[in-house]
Order: sequence, then structure tokens, then C-alpha cells
Amino acid sequence: SNDLTQPPSVSVSPGQTAIITCSGDKLGDKFVSWYQQKPGQTPVLVIYQDSKRPSGIPERFSGSNSGNTATLTISGTQAMDEADYYCQAWDSSTVFGGGTKLTVL
Amino acid sequence: EVQLSESGGGLVQPGGSLRLSCAASGFTFDSYAMSWVRQAPGKGLEWVSYISGAGSSTYYADSVRGRFTILRVNSKNTLYLQMNSLRAEDTAIYYCAKAVSASGYDFEYWGQGVLVTVSS
Repeated sequence: SNDLTQPPSVSVSPGQTAIITCSGDKLGDKFVSWYQQKPGQTPVLVIYQDSKRPSGIPERFSGSNSGNTATLTISGTQAMDEADYYCQAWDSSTVFGGGTKLTVL
Repeated sequence: EVQLSESGGGLVQPGGSLRLSCAASGFTFDSYAMSWVRQAPGKGLEWVSYISGAGSSTYYADSVRGRFTILRVNSKNTLYLQMNSLRAEDTAIYYCAKAVSASGYDFEYWGQGVLVTVSS
């Protein structure tokens, strides 16, 4: 199956660590990217190739991928991090997860 | 500065056709694969189609294969998506996207998106 499963929502207090998971069959064998999307805005790549950060993305964003699960970790979460987050897996083709709404409260 | 600018969206009846364009600048266009990604209102992201830098390889999501055609004109730095036999479920914002690498699907740059509405 090419489906990717994400929790619909995750809540975190400011300053704490947010963990968003993405599950899929043999996901560790594929590259995983993560995107942040705020309301009314275009998606922003925050992690690519499992754990790399594009230029301009804060160090508090990190990623890992092993087995059937990829994880996006946001350390010291800030109010500005509140957004929808999508995982994406690819090898010869690609699929997105359903998205996770991160609430910072 | 990388810029991607889509155009060509609008309202079309079911069964109709539409062609989207994406004008690219700020990078060596023919050195990078490009994709189209869509997002239905209030929904998540869905990859639609991919084309290699030279245009020799194309891939499609099952939901659009046989109805949509992706192509590029590298001399014009422009990407296209020809959409035929449109259905209500094709209603979405369509984004063109450039990958980090020459042939990947990790989309570092996105256009602002263009809305396609399929309705009678």
C-alpha cells in the first residue's frame, strides 16, 4: 500500500516538543519530506530526504525515518508553528499523508 | 530568486478541458523535474503529475491518468498541464512545484496556485 497515515491533530504547549508521526508500509525504504501549511498560504518544505532542513528553516525542526514510521519533531514549539503538517514519501512516485493539524496552546 | 507563476485556471463544465501554465524563472529550468500538486477546498495535498527535466519521462496519479497530460517547453521556461474530461472531483487549487534535486519529489518551491472549478 502507498497510503501514509498521520494523526489528524496534535496539541502542544509553547516551548514543549511536538512530535508528528507518519506511518506507511516500508516507509524507511523511501525518502520522506515534511511540509508546513498555514491557512491561506502555500506549503513550505521544512524537512526533505528524511532529515535535511532547507535553507531558512529553523533548527528546531528535525526529522527521522525508519521502519514503517517517519517522525517530524519540533523542539521548543512556538506559536508561529501552529499549522497543518503533511508528510510525503517518494521513490519512483509519491504520495502525501492526510495531514496533521498542530495546535499550540 | 526562484519564481513559479501559474495561470489558466477558472470555471469549466464537467467533461470540459482546461490548460494550466506555470512560468518559471530564477533557475536553470531544464535541469529540474517539475510536478503539479493539487489541493481540493479544505482538503489535503495530492500529487498529480511529474515530468523530468528533459521532458522524456512523465508520471501521473491514478486519479488523472488518461485524462491529464503534463508537458514542458524548456525554451520558454514553462510547464503545462492539459486537463481533459474534467470532473467535479478535479476542483482544486493546482500548484506547480520544483524539487530540491534534479529528479526528486521533494518540493522546495511552489507557485501561488491557480483555482480550477469544475461545475455546471
